[in-house]
Amino acid sequence: GQQVMQIPQYQHVQEGEDFTTYCNSSTTLSNIQWYKQRPGGHPVFLIQLVKSGEVKKQKRLTFQFGEAKKNSSLHITATQTTDVGTYFCAGPITQGGSEKLVFGKGTKLTVNP
Amino acid sequence: DAGVTQSPTHLIKTRGQQVTLRCSPISGHKSVSWYQQVLGQGPQFIFQYYEKEERGRGNFPDRFSARQFPNYSSELNVNALLLGDSALYLCASSFGAGGQEDTQYFGPGTRLTVL
Repeated sequence: GQQVMQIPQYQHVQEGEDFTTYCNSSTTLSNIQWYKQRPGGHPVFLIQLVKSGEVKKQKRLTFQFGEAKKNSSLHITATQTTDVGTYFCAGPITQGGSEKLVFGKGTKLTVNP
Repeated sequence: DAGVTQSPTHLIKTRGQQVTLRCSPISGHKSVSWYQQVLGQGPQFIFQYYEKEERGRGNFPDRFSARQFPNYSSELNVNALLLGDSALYLCASSFGAGGQEDTQYFGPGTRLTVL
């Protein structure tokens, strides 16, 4: 079936190092959304990308949407301990006549101070 | 303004029992979606309701049902609980029924444990 895949599953970095997580869809997406979930918390919306090749920045976070609208990435520059959490990408996929938001399995980021 | 609220926060049930989870969306939001998140996985879509009608259903058995009330709050019911139903159940609200500009805002979730 249609899937959204994320790699890596885990990433451990030293504070100050960069971090990147990659998201791939088996089908073209109308948009890609990114969420952050802190340990014990709930997913919090970060950003939505809509256009082919779109790049958006939020302070140290850079989000990209691929030209084919099937892949995306989130890059964090100079990680801080506050960046700890699991980062999910999600894309709307139509199945059985209805649209649902399909999440990747997430990349769990830990930061060593 | 209050965000999405869910109740209860935690729940312990035994196999075979039934459970009802509740969600109140952000004021002005007309759509509620339910997700199941098993430990170590991403949220999995269960249902979406918009204007009190079911707009989408994920790959969950008929033991799972939901409804939306005139005030746009929602309930998720799970019958004949199985051990595998243990998970964090998340509710997300959005203004519309989906589409490219429709951001979903998640509630804190209900942690269900089935013994």
